[in-house]
Amino acid sequence: GAVVSQHPSWVICKSGTSVKIECRSLDFQATTMFWYRQFPKQSLMLMATSNEGSKATYEQGVEKDKFLINHASLTLSTLTVTSAHPEDSSFYICSARVTTTQETQYFGPGTRLLVL
Amino acid sequence: DQQVKQNSPSLSVQEGRISILNCDYTNSMFDYFLWYKKYPAEGPTFLISISSIKDKNEDGRFTVFLNKSAKHLSLHIVPSQPGDSAVYFCAATNTGTASKLTFGTGTRLQVTL
Repeated sequence: GAVVSQHPSWVICKSGTSVKIECRSLDFQATTMFWYRQFPKQSLMLMATSNEGSKATYEQGVEKDKFLINHASLTLSTLTVTSAHPEDSSFYICSARVTTTQETQYFGPGTRLLVL
Repeated sequence: DQQVKQNSPSLSVQEGRISILNCDYTNSMFDYFLWYKKYPAEGPTFLISISSIKDKNEDGRFTVFLNKSAKHLSLHIVPSQPGDSAVYFCAATNTGTASKLTFGTGTRLQVTL
């Protein structure tokens, strides 16, 4: 099956610092990756769609200058939370789109961010 | 506006019995539906999907039923096993929108011995 990894799995940082989260497709190429955020006991909320070689498409209400997305290769997308604040503490999950006989998204294990 | 709803936040089922998880949607443009299983602090794991051209899809112990007229889908797990205990999310998409998934709020399934 398609494997997606994320690094780091958890991070604690001070308020005002920037944090970079990597999402990699390990055994396939992904032209499209997605970034989600999940708050406790809530659903996954799509933040942005990351397309290899082009600018990310952000969902309404998501600040593109705060959540920088770079999809530099067919196997790597990065999400940088700039000037993180405690309200940015959340569980961030990426997924990669796979199109074979059916289309689905395979998810990474997630990154838990805690901003102090 | 919650376009995908899972009205039961939790469900408890005995081992060996059938688990039925329900999902309703409001957007008639959705044409592809997926079920994911999620453990705490982990990413969702894909289980099964169904296209709107079908009304049933089966994979081992998992079967998904789609009722387009009612905008309702359900996931049946038979027989339920303790390892099935997790949170189940249904998700929907319009395949013409770059596969953006809209997730339901999840149902926590507890399979008891």
